[in-house]
Amino acid sequence: GESVGLHLPTLSVQEGDNSIINCAYSNSASDYFIWYKQESGKGPQFIIDIRSNMDKRQGQRVTVLLNKTVKHLSLQIAATQPGDSAVYFCAENIHSGYSTLTFGKGTMLLVSP
Amino acid sequence: EPEVTQTPSHQVTQMGQEVILRCVPISNHLYFYWYRQILGQKVEFLVSFYNNEISEKSEIFDDQFSVERPDGSNFTLKIRSTKLEDSAMYFCASGVSGANVLTFGAGSRLTVL
Repeated sequence: GESVGLHLPTLSVQEGDNSIINCAYSNSASDYFIWYKQESGKGPQFIIDIRSNMDKRQGQRVTVLLNKTVKHLSLQIAATQPGDSAVYFCAENIHSGYSTLTFGKGTMLLVSP
Repeated sequence: EPEVTQTPSHQVTQMGQEVILRCVPISNHLYFYWYRQILGQKVEFLVSFYNNEISEKSEIFDDQFSVERPDGSNFTLKIRSTKLEDSAMYFCASGVSGANVLTFGAGSRLTVL
């Protein structure tokens, strides 16, 4: 079946670098995408979202890019900090009513001081 | 900042026993969810609940599972007869509407022996 997936299981960066985490999705019916951050022992924490009628959305130090042509989603983190170390999940919603999220496998981001 | 709280944080049980996991969603939220995450795997949708009834459920949510909102604040997940493969972290989430932004709790780790 169609699913959300991630290209890189682990990304190691130096503090201050910019990080890019990628995600591929295959369901063209998906109309809403979310990035979550999960720190060890905690639940997923909302970072940023984007709807399918947008290509880019910016938050504080984070930017999400959506390329519907190739069904690709990315999360850019500017000036990565050690506190950004976590697992990052992309998730998609293909049901417009009840927020049934389909999560990808996750990418571990490791930030070295 | 409002948060979703879950209890217990960790429960160990014998196979075949009943387990109840409890959640207190954010007070003005109307949509409630259970997700689970088997160790090292992605977060999987179990069930969504709105207006005192199940709105969606996944294939995982079989007859051994049930949800209830017994009062105005708690939202529970019951597993009637636990199996080894039920061992996972169970996340409760809530949303103010069906418009996709969910707040997750810290999770309840269930270990079935």
